Amino acid sequence: GAVVSQHPSRVICKSGTSVKIECRSLDFQATTMFWYRQFPKQSLMLMATSNEGSKATYEQGVEKDKFLINHASLTLSTLTVTSAHPEDSSFYICSLAGGYNEQFFGPGTRLTVL
Amino acid sequence: GDSVTQMEGPVTLSEEAFLTINCTYTATGYPSLFWYVQYPGEGLQLLLKATKADDKGSNKGFEATYRKETTSFHLEKGSVQVSDSAVYFCALIPSGSARQLTFGSGTQLTVLP
Repeated sequence: GAVVSQHPSRVICKSGTSVKIECRSLDFQATTMFWYRQFPKQSLMLMATSNEGSKATYEQGVEKDKFLINHASLTLSTLTVTSAHPEDSSFYICSLAGGYNEQFFGPGTRLTVL
Repeated sequence: GDSVTQMEGPVTLSEEAFLTINCTYTATGYPSLFWYVQYPGEGLQLLLKATKADDKGSNKGFEATYRKETTSFHLEKGSVQVSDSAVYFCALIPSGSARQLTFGSGTQLTVLP
């Protein structure tokens, strides 16, 4: 399957700052990537679908101005958490859509906002 | 809408015990069904999948059969190991969808030596 990396793996920031998380496809051209959020001991919640060269599609309840998604190339999608607050602390996971009904997941990024 | 219901955990077993994690789903048509595994501090890895009724997915000793009549996709393993300790997620992609996964709540499995 496709190899997906995320950077950074962990980040700690102060409240009010912005944090950018990168999701890279190392060996697959991904026209579609997904961003998920996972709270401790809970399931993954889809935040948005990122399409290369176009605007992301956000799920209901996800603030598009707070969670900025850019998918400028077939191998890179970025999620920027703007003006982060402690309630944004979470595990953020990206995935890319592969072949028939497949998704390949990144290792996740642990964000802690102080 | 589409949904996945998983057996609540946590599940604690002794090594070599038999494992079953129940999963049922609600969806129209014939969704594709998946089991993902998440080890501590890591992302998700696909464990197995089935794309049509009566298909059996298998990997690393784990199996699950797509049962349309009971809308179920229960995960089983005959003899668990300590290294199987992880969180297991059942998930589906609806037929004809844009490949968006719907996840169950996850089941924490701990295997004791």
